[in-house]
Amino acid sequence: EAGVVQSPRYKIIEKKQPVAFWCNPISGHNTLYWYLQNLGQGPELLIRYENEEAVDDSQLPKDRFSAERLKGVDSTLKIQPAELGDSAVYLCASSPGSSGANVLTFGAGSRLTVL
Amino acid sequence: AQRVTQPEKLLSVFKGAPVELKCNYSYSGSPELFWYVQYSRQRLQLLLRHISRESIKGFTADLNKGETSFHLKKPFAQEEDSAMYYCALSGRARNQFYFGTGTSLTVIP
Repeated sequence: EAGVVQSPRYKIIEKKQPVAFWCNPISGHNTLYWYLQNLGQGPELLIRYENEEAVDDSQLPKDRFSAERLKGVDSTLKIQPAELGDSAVYLCASSPGSSGANVLTFGAGSRLTVL
Repeated sequence: AQRVTQPEKLLSVFKGAPVELKCNYSYSGSPELFWYVQYSRQRLQLLLRHISRESIKGFTADLNKGETSFHLKKPFAQEEDSAMYYCALSGRARNQFYFGTGTSLTVIP
């Protein structure tokens, strides 16, 4: 199994440009997460989906960040416009949901550098 | 509010020495505690969870509700244990996970 797949792995953009990250979770995992990981910090939740519904987006900066999980499978996280402070690793994770083990499986991450 | 604290950002031990990575938590209830590990150039992955009561790669962790701690221990450190370790908590609502800031472990040959 491929596990949680994220793309792109690396992205370098200039400030004020848009950027999008894509995530395909483990097949059958109902819950999908986007985490932000700054250098030297632990993962911090941006948004959590249960199927196609965003059930926790309280930490998502909605003025510039948006996310969607159409059809309840893969997901896209977008930043528009990007700022210098958005440089970080964006992690996607999935879990089976209420019917399975309460364990996260992470993707490899998308490292964003904003110049 | 829930909080996970890892007081050591960096920890170095010699090969063969015991190692303990500290994790304290704050949560009003019965949490699930986890240790995740990230080896160099690899993705973050589950090491162990307290409800499994397993020893993984020689590591163990015991949930101490009185001290609200979940320290990770290994009696004899190996070079391949060098990695970033994150303690995490899942609360009353399943599928919610909160992470500590991580401890970078270096095992010196």
